[in-house]
Amino acid sequence: DAKTTQPTSMDCAEGRAANLPCNHSTISGNEYVYWYRQIHSQGPQYIIHGLKNNETNEMASLIITEDRKSSTLILPHATLRDTAVYYCIVRPINTGGFKTIFGAGTRLFVKA
Amino acid sequence: DAGVIQSPRHEVTEMGQEVTLRCKPISGHDYLFWYRQTMMRGLELLIYFNNNVPIDDSGMPEDRFSAKMPNASFSTLKIQPSEPRDSAVYFCASSFTRVFGYTFGSGTRLTVV
Repeated sequence: DAKTTQPTSMDCAEGRAANLPCNHSTISGNEYVYWYRQIHSQGPQYIIHGLKNNETNEMASLIITEDRKSSTLILPHATLRDTAVYYCIVRPINTGGFKTIFGAGTRLFVKA
Repeated sequence: DAGVIQSPRHEVTEMGQEVTLRCKPISGHDYLFWYRQTMMRGLELLIYFNNNVPIDDSGMPEDRFSAKMPNASFSTLKIQPSEPRDSAVYFCASSFTRVFGYTFGSGTRLTVV
């Protein structure tokens, strides 16, 4: 699986946009970018995924660079409940292994 | 849908005892995954199934661990005999096809004393 690099931790003020970066410079053409988060003591929660186009849903937006070597997850108006560990993952969907391998993620602290 | 349902939520057992963790995936999902999470090792994939068939069990740490999926609505992860180092939170997740994200259960916190 392609590896991802994320900052260990980030802070964000409540009500402001949280922009979480992810580097995946070795991503392959058939690999998608997925984002999950894990709030303390809960199971991981799927947020969003994309291949090359920007994506938006009710939780977040995903911006993927044109060369696909990096992406940014945007929480438009962060709240205290968005404090969590955010995982960026790349994996293929149409060939080979279907494993989702979680790294260490980014610990986001939303402060009042 | 109630989501992925795991039982029990908490399990405390003595070393050497058999432990069985249970999971009910979301109806219609064709993939099921078992993960383990510890502070030291993070989230580890143990095994996954597709249409009730085990596809990859390379993450199962030892022969003491076994997993089954007798039908589309039920899976078990069994540890026999259990050891203190098996103490962790065990998550079950399910997914519809290869495209969509996974839905995780609330986990089973296992403590082996």
